[in-house]
Amino acid sequence: DQQVKQNSPSLSVQEGRISILNCDYTNSMFDYFLWYKKYPAEGPTFLISISSIKDKNEDGRFTVFLNKSAKHLSLHIVPSQPGDSAVYFCAAKASGSNDMRFGAGTRLTVKP
Amino acid sequence: NAGVTQTPKFRILKIGQSMTLQCTQDMNHNYMYWYRQDPGMGLKLIYYSVGAGITDKGEVPNGYNVSRSTTEDFPLRLELAAPSQTSVYFCASSLAGYNEQFFGPGTRLTVL
Repeated sequence: DQQVKQNSPSLSVQEGRISILNCDYTNSMFDYFLWYKKYPAEGPTFLISISSIKDKNEDGRFTVFLNKSAKHLSLHIVPSQPGDSAVYFCAAKASGSNDMRFGAGTRLTVKP
Repeated sequence: NAGVTQTPKFRILKIGQSMTLQCTQDMNHNYMYWYRQDPGMGLKLIYYSVGAGITDKGEVPNGYNVSRSTTEDFPLRLELAAPSQTSVYFCASSLAGYNEQFFGPGTRLTVL
C-alpha cells in the first residue's frame, strides 16, 4: 500500500517563478516529513524536513508546509532556478519507527 | 570525507546467481539502511541497522540478507537472484533515527 503519494509525476516552471510540489499521506501515525532531491545517477540528498508539531519550515528558497488535517504537505521553491531541475521525493516516518516511506517522486524542470 | 560509498556501480547477474552489494560510510553513523528503487516508484526499505550487530527487516526484505559487523560497513546479500530484483539499490546512513539520511550513489542491478 502506498502510504505516501506524489500525484504529479512532473512539473515544469519558468526560471524565477514559484515551484510547488505536493505530497499526500494516508498514515496518521506519520509525524516527521522530509523532502529529498535527486539528480540522475546520484543518490537522493536531503533538502528540508518538518515535524508534525509545526506547520511550516523555511530554509532559504525552500519552504515546506504541513496540513495535518488534510494529510498534505507541499514544498515551495522561490525563486526557481535551472539548477533546481531534479526529481523531488517526499518521505514520511512515524515516531519510534525506522521505516521511512517515500513517494514516487516529482520531476521538476525549471526552464531558463 | 567520502560519505557513503557503494560498490559496484553496475552489475548484471544471471537468474540464480548470488552477489553482495557493498556499502561503507565514514561519518561514524549508527544507523544504516538499504533501499531499492524500481522505475517510476519511490524508494522502499529492504533492511536497516541501528548499530553493529543489530539488523531488522524493512518493507521488502524477501530475497535479501544483511549483516553489520562494524559501524562502517553494511553489506547486502542476494542469494538466488531473480528478475524481480532488477532495481537500483541505495545504501544510506544517519546519526540516529530522526536525523536526515545520507545516501550513496546507488548500484544498478539487472537480473537476466
